[in-house]
Formats: sequence, structure tokens, C-alpha cells
Amino acid sequence: DQQVKQNSPSLSVQEGRISILNCDYTNSMFDYFLWYKKYPAEGPTFLISISSIKDKNEDGRFTVFLNKSAKHLSLHIVPSQPGDSAVYFCAANWGTGNQFYFGTGTSLTVIP
Amino acid sequence: GEEVAQTPKHLVRGEGQKAKLYCAPIKGHSYVFWYQQVLKNEFKFLISFQNENVFDETGMPKERFSAKCLPNSPCSLEIQATKLEDSAVYFCASSPGGDTQYFGPGTRLTVL
Repeated sequence: DQQVKQNSPSLSVQEGRISILNCDYTNSMFDYFLWYKKYPAEGPTFLISISSIKDKNEDGRFTVFLNKSAKHLSLHIVPSQPGDSAVYFCAANWGTGNQFYFGTGTSLTVIP
Repeated sequence: GEEVAQTPKHLVRGEGQKAKLYCAPIKGHSYVFWYQQVLKNEFKFLISFQNENVFDETGMPKERFSAKCLPNSPCSLEIQATKLEDSAVYFCASSPGGDTQYFGPGTRLTVL
């Protein structure tokens, strides 16, 4: 049972434009969410997090939005750069020390 | 260290042989997690540790898989009598306080 879903397997965006990656979850107990970026043959790299007490968190070009009522989060990258081309995973958990549940990833291609 | 280290990078075993994977978490991190990535984009949780104690082992196939995190030693994940379906990339992650997890580069296990 997939508790975290990324319904878009791929996304292409022109350099300089906004990239919006979406993630939905089903478990209302989730209270902490992460976005990871992954290049082939490497481990996931932590990008940004958000806890359920917030609805927005910003770090440079990356902003994560959380809509708890819709059980939806999104990652905005502005402006997109070719180096952002990678697979992006969202992940969610609850409590301290618990496993994260991962989505199946969205492959982002930023076209120069 | 400042990064999670995993060894070896690649491991090839014949079916029925033993495989042992190692993980050195980031210094000062109390939690260690193991995930298995079988299909390209699916992460399956295996086990977690808080210091040297098992925190959650609900994902472990207990008949053949075992794991340890002993003081002053790298953590290890051991598979006795490997099967073809164990072929995967195994990721280790560490966390300072049980929230954000930082991943290593992974070990690719191929069972022939």
C-alpha cells in the first residue's frame, strides 16, 4: 500500500522557469516531510523539509508547500537550472526515529 | 565523518552465498536506517537503530537478514544464503535526532 504518491513520473521545464513537483499522501499521522534529489548511481541528497505545524518552508530557490487538509505537498524550484535535472523523491514520517515512506519519484529535466 | 560511508560500492554473489554490507554513519548521529531499493524508484525500509539498539525491525526478512550497530564499529547488514530477488541497491541513512535522514551512496548487490 503506497502511502506516499508522486503521480508524475517525469517533468520537463525550460531553464529559468518554475518547476513544480507534487506529492500526495494518505496517512494523516504523517507530521514531517522531506524532499530528496537523486542522481543516478548516487544516494538521495536531502533538499528541504517541512513539519506539519507549517504550511511553507523556503531555502534559496527551493520552497516546499504543505496542504494538510488535502494531504498534498509540492516543491517549487525557481528559477530552474540544468543542474537541477535529477529524480526528486518526497518522503514522510511521524514521530522521532521512525522510517520514512517514500514516493516513487519524479524525474525532472531542465532544458537549457 | 561528515558523510555517510557505505562499503563496498558493488558486491556480486552467487545464489546461496553470504553478503555483508557496511555503513559508517555521520559522527554524532544516533539513528541508523537501512533501505532496499529493488525497482528503480521504490525504497523499502528494512531496519533502524538508535545507537546500538534495534529501534524498528518491521521491514526485515528475518530468516536470512540480520543487522548490527556495535559501538566503535561500522554498522553492518548481512544476508545469509542470498537469493536472486535480493539483488538491489542497499542504502544506509543516519539521523542526528531521528528526523531528517542523510543517505550514503549505496551498495549495489547483484546475486547471480
